[in-house]
Amino acid sequence: DGGITQSPKYLFRKEGQNVTLSCEQNLNHDAMYWYRQDPGQGLRLIYYSQIVNDFQKGDIAEGYSVSREKKESFPLTVTSAQKNPTAFYLCASSDLLAGAYNEQFFGPGTRLTVL
Amino acid sequence: AQKITQTQPGMFVQEKEAVTLDCTYDTSDPSYGLFWYKQPSSGEMIFLIYQGSYDQQNATEGRYSLNFQKARKSANLVISASQLGDSAMYFCAMRDPNAGNMLTFGGGTRLMVKP
Repeated sequence: DGGITQSPKYLFRKEGQNVTLSCEQNLNHDAMYWYRQDPGQGLRLIYYSQIVNDFQKGDIAEGYSVSREKKESFPLTVTSAQKNPTAFYLCASSDLLAGAYNEQFFGPGTRLTVL
Repeated sequence: AQKITQTQPGMFVQEKEAVTLDCTYDTSDPSYGLFWYKQPSSGEMIFLIYQGSYDQQNATEGRYSLNFQKARKSANLVISASQLGDSAMYFCAMRDPNAGNMLTFGGGTRLMVKP
């Protein structure tokens, strides 16, 4: 089955710790994205990547870091510099084809809680 | 900068009736795409329908249709013959073609279908 997987589903972090959220896709998509969702709100873009070894900051990149060493993988690290990291994190991917919808396909999400 | 506004935090609809979810947008780019996603309580994001800024006709996809009024900058989602399984959060989003296909999301509308 083609799709996007995220792990873990639930993650608990102590203050001051860095944690890494995994995102893998087997859709052969060029672009991958990380979004943050706070309760009752829409999604906000953290980082995106259009190609291996390249990524761009989104609207709320402070306190986060990413890497894109392989086309199918786009892990997100939540660093201790992120002051309010408790949220639901969604990873997505899409094609970048001219003339196509290029809709984003989303993973099931990781719910991060800071203790 | 792009902006998406959803003015209805929550809506009720009777099963089997139609419902319209509002979405207005703001952009200075003549080329853009508008998406609607459904988010059930499980948290996954499900793509519903797409409308391109140059599309001559309103998009339709099964029970979903998009009432696209370009001059008014609105892209309302119409769900016909509501079902209990339609109860979820619904998000309108706009694609930024100049920023890696990233999406800007509205705040969402919670739809509750009554039996």
